Amino acid sequence: AQSVAQPEDQVNVAEGNPLTVKCTYSVSGNPYLFWYVQYPNRGLQFLLKYITGDNLVKGSYGFEAEFNKSQTSFHLKKPSALVSDSALYFCAVRVPSSGSARQLTFGSGTQLTVLP
Amino acid sequence: GAGVSQSPSNKVTEKGKDVELRCDPISGHTALYWYRQSLGQGLEFLIYFQGNSAPDKSGLPSDRFSAERTGGSVSTLTIQRTQQEDSAVYLCASSSDGTSFYEQYFGPGTRLTVT
Repeated sequence: AQSVAQPEDQVNVAEGNPLTVKCTYSVSGNPYLFWYVQYPNRGLQFLLKYITGDNLVKGSYGFEAEFNKSQTSFHLKKPSALVSDSALYFCAVRVPSSGSARQLTFGSGTQLTVLP
Repeated sequence: GAGVSQSPSNKVTEKGKDVELRCDPISGHTALYWYRQSLGQGLEFLIYFQGNSAPDKSGLPSDRFSAERTGGSVSTLTIQRTQQEDSAVYLCASSSDGTSFYEQYFGPGTRLTVT
């Protein structure tokens, strides 16, 4: 079975500072990894994904994430946080070779608050 | 272009009633997914449709839940004899096809409250 862990329920960061939202995964096989963001009363918006190739992937709104196979991590980062980045962030995984290849398995979410 | 749309945005129903939730995927997307988001369970997969193939129903929590997709486009999720534990936000997503590397695009969700 595959699983995703987001160890921090809440992350607070000052505007202008770098931010990191952590994600680790446990799968059998090679993972496809995704980050989504959810603003209040909105659906999930896709930020970025890792499929293969360069371990550092860049996505929307200046976010990036680094795939680390040895640490089974896919942390989301941004060099300079904005107040408007405050939202709920979800990490998700798919394993193409598994029986549940089609659906995403989500982490529990991390509430990011950027303080002005 | 237009994204995934869902209706209604909010639904309040009495315990024991049936409800239908609707999803309009992005035009041309052949894959459609339903998820449920609740406080206690996080985001859970419910069901997956890909083209004309038989749906993957492995995530449906009970036989009170069913879904169909007509003409390869619009989908309806039906919950019969609703229970209070069914209260959640139901999210629909679509993607270009079911290939694993395509991202899913989510609708705004339907917030279901069972009283």
